[in-house]
Amino acid sequence: GAVVSQHPSRVICKSGTSVKIECRSLDFQATTMFWYRQFPKKSLMLMATSNEGSKATYEQGVEKDKFLINHASLTLSTLTVTSAHPEDSSFYICSARGGLGVWDTQYFGPGTRLTVL
Amino acid sequence: AQKVTQAQTEISVVEKEDVTLDCVYETRDTTYYLFWYKQPPSGELVFLIRRNSFDEQNEISGRYSWNFQKSTSSFNFTITASQVVDSAVYFCALSVPPNAGNNRKLIWGLGTSLAVNP
Repeated sequence: GAVVSQHPSRVICKSGTSVKIECRSLDFQATTMFWYRQFPKKSLMLMATSNEGSKATYEQGVEKDKFLINHASLTLSTLTVTSAHPEDSSFYICSARGGLGVWDTQYFGPGTRLTVL
Repeated sequence: AQKVTQAQTEISVVEKEDVTLDCVYETRDTTYYLFWYKQPPSGELVFLIRRNSFDEQNEISGRYSWNFQKSTSSFNFTITASQVVDSAVYFCALSVPPNAGNNRKLIWGLGTSLAVNP
């Protein structure tokens, strides 16, 4: 149980284009989903937290207009990197937390490696 | 302030050796959770264990064991008889009550990169 999928696993795009990444909880309902960014050999940096049906809460320094997050259902959240630039190249990871218990464990997707040319 | 420190950046061992990964945390909250995650080269974070602040019992799962000591604010992770497949980055994380209405976040250590050589 507690499987989270992410799609695509890898994407290469041209500078200026937008890229959408999907995160799905496959066998549980995720009341909260999180989006992280990870640079090579670094720890995870939380970008935003999203609750189903409401606006995402962004961490300080993360541009909400640049990184659009939608959590339309209890099993799907999307991250859209708008007008991507080479500095947006990174490993993006989502996680999902199920249930009403706020102490519930976060389960992670396999990540999406974004390369912007 | 909350903080997680994993002082060991990289560890290299030979197969079958035992290895302990250290994790020291800081928080003023009395209720919190501690986690360990494994990130193999494929990149996917794998949940290993969750421990709440009121449960100081040590836990063993196969070759893995965890030693939680509130007195020293540590939650160390030991792999017994390490194997090449244990090579990964291991993250320790702390979950504390939310404040100002935000969701409970995980506070991450910087990770320890473990290389198990044949």
